[in-house]
Amino acid sequence: GQQLNQSPQSMFIQEGEDVSMNCTSSSIFNTWLWYKQEPGEGPVLLIALYKAGELTSNGRLTAQFGITRKDSFLNISASIPSDVGIYFCAGQLYGNNDMRFGAGTRLTVKP
Amino acid sequence: DGGITQSPKYLFRKEGQNVTLSCEQNLNHDAMYWYRQDPGQGLRLIYYSQIVNDFQKGDIAEGYSVSREKKESFPLTVTSAQKNPTAFYLCASRRSGQSNQPQHFGDGTRLSIL
Repeated sequence: GQQLNQSPQSMFIQEGEDVSMNCTSSSIFNTWLWYKQEPGEGPVLLIALYKAGELTSNGRLTAQFGITRKDSFLNISASIPSDVGIYFCAGQLYGNNDMRFGAGTRLTVKP
Repeated sequence: DGGITQSPKYLFRKEGQNVTLSCEQNLNHDAMYWYRQDPGQGLRLIYYSQIVNDFQKGDIAEGYSVSREKKESFPLTVTSAQKNPTAFYLCASRRSGQSNQPQHFGDGTRLSIL
């Protein structure tokens, strides 16, 4: 099955910096999701996007559903050490029963 | 508390042995999923089930089997036919009937070969 192209693969940033990561696909999706995974745990849903062009925030996190429905980005503002983890994007098609995942962006925040 | 419980957290398999990973949810979700996660890769779908007594193969079903006898339970068996079983296994569930409801995940089981 087709996986999503997520970039960058990893980021090393200083505390307080802003972060941006994105996901692209050759296919369209009806829903874009962003998850965060910490070591030894399952992914936790951060933001769900349901409409092309939609921009949604969750605290310091902001995500957008691309107009073409083939991409999405996630921004984290003013990063803090607890932002460390792997961030995954996922795309879901209406009526389909599985999601397609990006390979993840590993974020390291230096205090 | 409502959630998805996977057990055990760590599991070791000997050559030629079948092992079963447990997944239980009390969210009253109809659909349940099993994914495999390898380092540096996205999650890959093994099996999914939309309702009790029904399940479908995902992208990498070979060497795995599942059952769905109860709504809240979706165990995964890693058979001896799976030659490279070492991975992190994640179970997920979601409310179906509304197709764009997101999946929610358990905390995973790490399987290793002895």
